[in-house]
Amino acid sequence: QVQLVESGGDVVQPGGSLRLSCAVSGFTLTSYGVHWVRQAPGQGLEWLAFMRNDGSHKVFADSVKGRFTMSRDVSMNTLYLQMNGLRPEDTALYYCARDVSDAFEVWGQGTVVTVSS
Amino acid sequence: QSGLTQPASVSGSPGQSITISCTGTSSDVGGYDYVSWYQQHPGRVPKLIIFDVAQRPSGVSTRFFGSKSGNTASLTISGLQAEDECTYYCASYRRSNLWVFGGGTKVTV
Repeated sequence: QVQLVESGGDVVQPGGSLRLSCAVSGFTLTSYGVHWVRQAPGQGLEWLAFMRNDGSHKVFADSVKGRFTMSRDVSMNTLYLQMNGLRPEDTALYYCARDVSDAFEVWGQGTVVTVSS
Repeated sequence: QSGLTQPASVSGSPGQSITISCTGTSSDVGGYDYVSWYQQHPGRVPKLIIFDVAQRPSGVSTRFFGSKSGNTASLTISGLQAEDECTYYCASYRRSNLWVFGGGTKVTV
């Protein structure tokens, strides 16, 4: 069964950092790319980042480029989103989702990030 | 990076058909057949219902139909049911290895 489980969400002050994890099961990170998508309270979906299955190709939305980075541990089947320079507008529910044919096929339950002083 | 344009709301009666539009540009919707649609009920995780413009994942009702013409994609829901009431999002691959969502359309039955 394909599953993605996010963790690491927390309350952090503006300018702070946080690392989110996306643990996957039922497939391997070397076989599928994975996206990060967020949803601010009461708002729509915003695509943030993508790592291809080869691990070498990573792309980011302009809103987070230069502040967020991605890495992975293939042995742990876990993807990470390192978020630096957090702003109040980064407050959201953060999802990871498996890519299939450039669509967001399977989603995790999400983890909440709150940026507030 | 501006998003795709969807109507804020669409309504219909049970049994009717409704269509939700999703307008982009030649750099996304019009340039690639990688348009997808998601259904999100309040407090729930988004669910993929259409990918590659018109393909339905296994288990998705045949009442959902996707299409595209030029820079505009459309989702048609036929035989509207109470359970269809929620928010629908379109998404597209965009040139330069980016992805973009629409703002969402709230469907009222």
